[in-house]
Amino acid sequence: EPEVTQTPSHQVTQMGQEVILRCVPISNHLYFYWYRQILGQKVEFLVSFYNNEISEKSEIFDDQFSVERPDGSNFTLKIRSTKLEDSAMYFCASKLETGIYEQYFGPGTRLTVT
Amino acid sequence: LAKTTQPISMDSYEGQEVNITCSHNNIATNDYITWYQQFPSQGPRFIIQGYKTKVTNEVASLFIPADRKSSTLSLPRVSLSDTAVYYCLVGNLLYNQGGKLIFGQGTELSVKP
Repeated sequence: EPEVTQTPSHQVTQMGQEVILRCVPISNHLYFYWYRQILGQKVEFLVSFYNNEISEKSEIFDDQFSVERPDGSNFTLKIRSTKLEDSAMYFCASKLETGIYEQYFGPGTRLTVT
Repeated sequence: LAKTTQPISMDSYEGQEVNITCSHNNIATNDYITWYQQFPSQGPRFIIQGYKTKVTNEVASLFIPADRKSSTLSLPRVSLSDTAVYYCLVGNLLYNQGGKLIFGQGTELSVKP
């Protein structure tokens, strides 16, 4: 069964550093998402991406965040200058088409900012 | 997206049927009801989706009464591996073209031997 993959599984970084989280969505999917989950809290939407542009972003997704689909297979989330409160599990998700709620989530990247 | 209310936690034993109810009193005409499952340290996983009456797949059943103000996810004969958080989401497929999912706190199901 096709699956979404994410690398790395765990990233430790110092406050103020830039990090790039990588995702490979399912190959024929057209819609891509990033979510995050702070330990013990609910899953929060960050951004959705379609046709090489952001279609929606949440208040969390401020100027420190950016997304890119550089080569037609990878989908990346960059945090320019990490803060302690960015420590969380980051999930990438993808779906095939519009009008459905079935998204396929990756295993996540645990980001720890020290 | 409609606000949902579900129990924070539930306990069960292996082999029992588990029913998790979600209230969504302000569900709109075009809203669908979707359930996701999340195991510890993993991403959420789609379980089932429905609009009215009953939907069944290999994992679960979803019961939706005529007024659609609530729904019940039914897991038959649970095992230890069904220990997870279960999320009820209600939303409009037509006006949510970006497709973001809005998760609540979910119901933490603990299955004991």
